[in-house]
Amino acid sequence: GESVGLHLPTLSVQEGDNSIINCAYSNSASDYFIWYKQESGKGPQFIIDIRSNMDKRQGQRVTVLLNKTVKHLSLQIAATQPGDSAVYFCAENPPNTGNQFYFGTGTSLTVIP
Amino acid sequence: NAGVMQNPRHLVRRRGQEARLRCSPMKGHSHVYWYRQLPEEGLKFMVYLQKENIIDESGMPKERFSAEFPKEGPSILRIQQVVRGDSAAYFCASSPQTVGYEQYFGPGTRLTVT
Repeated sequence: GESVGLHLPTLSVQEGDNSIINCAYSNSASDYFIWYKQESGKGPQFIIDIRSNMDKRQGQRVTVLLNKTVKHLSLQIAATQPGDSAVYFCAENPPNTGNQFYFGTGTSLTVIP
Repeated sequence: NAGVMQNPRHLVRRRGQEARLRCSPMKGHSHVYWYRQLPEEGLKFMVYLQKENIIDESGMPKERFSAEFPKEGPSILRIQQVVRGDSAAYFCASSPQTVGYEQYFGPGTRLTVT
């Protein structure tokens, strides 16, 4: 199957700093990507998505960057808050798989007050 | 608009018993996906279903596991003769009919096999 990997399994940041979470995906033809946030004991929650015809997309305090040349995604969180502490997953939607996504192992973000 | 619902939230079974996990997708969603998550690990795809059809079950063990999504009612993930290795969190997600849309996740069912 497909695999999606994350460069850093854990990340600690000071409250107020910016966070960057990286992700490498495997299928160069994947055309849709999502970042999910999972808090302890809960299901994954959609944060932001990006399609392959874009390099950058911004949301509220979050930005996703897509580099198709090296098959790399990043999630930037501005002014990180304690409520941002969670595990973050990237997911890719390869072609010809319907609406199926492949998830990475996740990065655990800890925000230090 | 209720989100994806899963029940039970916690399920304890003895080895050899059967576990039935239920998932009600969001209103209007006809695609359902089941994932398994072990502690400190990512989500592993198990099965993808549409109403009355299994689209992709490549991630599901060949034995003891089955899934259905009937025309009426919730999707069911069934695990027969559970073993301790089946202990995990099982998440269900749903999406609209159209390809290229996000999956909305339920809160999960945490299965413990004693």
